[in-house]
Amino acid sequence: AQKITQTQPGMFVQEKEAVTLDCTYDTSDPSYGLFWYKQPSSGEMIFLIYQGSYDQQNATEGRYSLNFQKARKSANLVISASQLGDSAMYFCAMREGQHGGSQGNLIFGKGTKLSVKP
Amino acid sequence: SQTIHQWPATLVQPVGSPLSLECTVEGTSNPNLYWYRQAAGRGLQLLFYSVGIGQISSEVPQNLSASRPQDRQFILSSKKLLLSDSGFYLCACMTGGSYEQYFGPGTRLTVT
Repeated sequence: AQKITQTQPGMFVQEKEAVTLDCTYDTSDPSYGLFWYKQPSSGEMIFLIYQGSYDQQNATEGRYSLNFQKARKSANLVISASQLGDSAMYFCAMREGQHGGSQGNLIFGKGTKLSVKP
Repeated sequence: SQTIHQWPATLVQPVGSPLSLECTVEGTSNPNLYWYRQAAGRGLQLLFYSVGIGQISSEVPQNLSASRPQDRQFILSSKKLLLSDSGFYLCACMTGGSYEQYFGPGTRLTVT
């Protein structure tokens, strides 16, 4: 069965420094997609970045990059040059089937609360 | 790009009362639609998803139900709320050919 594990309930980082949020996954499907979402205190879920299992390069979106290590089944999120506005919950999620699939259902981890210190 | 609306934003209901949460989508057609629940301090749990009008799949048995009367409308209902139904309910949308799900602003439900 699919599973997403985020082992860091909370993380602190100094403003302007980089931080890595861990995510490991388990699936028997060779085709899958990995996602990171940000949830600020307002509650909205904001899509950050996506990595497909067959993508050759690690995904990047601005200050966000995904460190995808397929053999280790890990998909860590790296945030460079942290800002105070980055303080939020971060969720890793996975979908079996790389491109949409018939349902597109996501399995979420329990999240990591990131706090950026000034 | 699509926009997802949810209402109400917050709701306080007594145990045993009915529930109706609505989600509507603009800017796309024939989307996959999802209802998630997030308990306090927890991750998201998928409750229902729909790939088309009248097509509902349930992921978790409970006293909630969902309906999709129109292509871009998704409704979450209950006949009698339980205390355990309290949480943050999020509607999400995925369009064909894309890979990410976009979320609405959510409804915070407190059952007293």
